[in-house]
Amino acid sequence: DAKTTQPPSMDCAEGRAANLPCNHSTISGNEYVYWYRQIHSQGPQYIIHGLKNNETNEMASLIITEDRKSSTLILPHATLRDTAVYYCIVRVGNDYKLSFGAGTTVTVRA
Amino acid sequence: DAGVTQSPTHLIKTRGQHVTLRCSPISGHKSVSWYQQVLGQGPQFIFQYYEKEERGRGNFPDRFSARQFPNYSSELNVNALLLGDSALYLCASSLVGTGQSGANVLTFGAGSRLTVL
Repeated sequence: DAKTTQPPSMDCAEGRAANLPCNHSTISGNEYVYWYRQIHSQGPQYIIHGLKNNETNEMASLIITEDRKSSTLILPHATLRDTAVYYCIVRVGNDYKLSFGAGTTVTVRA
Repeated sequence: DAGVTQSPTHLIKTRGQHVTLRCSPISGHKSVSWYQQVLGQGPQFIFQYYEKEERGRGNFPDRFSARQFPNYSSELNVNALLLGDSALYLCASSLVGTGQSGANVLTFGAGSRLTVL
C-alpha cells in the first residue's frame, strides 16, 4: 500500500469548515483513498472513500487532485463532536487490510 | 441495525495467562478482521478471515490466533500474555474479503480493552 503523509494536528473553529490534507504521492492506479476517524477510546469510524472523482456524503466531502497524489477531506461545518484523530489510508480495493498511520488530531474549539 | 459487537469490553489478565476475545459482525458481512491498537498509536492489522478461512495475517507472533465460525462470528485468542499485549483490540467486518473488486469498507466495533498486569 502507498504511504500517506498527514499533518500531526490541526485546530478548527466550531461552525467553520475543516480542511484536512493528505499526501499520497506513490499511489497506484487501483488504490482507493479512504478516510476514517477515531473519537477517543472508540473504534474507527468510516467517513468516505474515493478512487478518482470527488465524493460527497452526509458526513464530508473528499477532493482528490487530478494526478491523485493528494487529497483533502472537508468537514463542512465542524462541531465539537468532530474532535477526533483522522486517518487517511490508501488501499487496493480488494486488499485485506487497512494500514493506519499516525493520523491528524483535529481539535474543534468553541 | 446492530453494528459490530465485541465482548468483553474490558478485561484484566496477568502475564502468562490466555485470553479469548469475541466478535459478531454486521448481519450479512462475511469478512472479519482484527486489529490491535496500543495507546498512542494507530491500529495495527492482525488477521482477516473470509468465509471461515484466514486470508491475511499481520506481523504478530504465533501466540496470536483466530478463527471464524459458520455464522461468521470470530474469536481472537492470545496465549502467554505479555505486558506489551495491553491494548485495545478492534474487530471490523465487511461484506467482502480478498479477491473482490472495488472498494471494501470496514465497519469497526467499539473494541475490547485488554490490560495485562
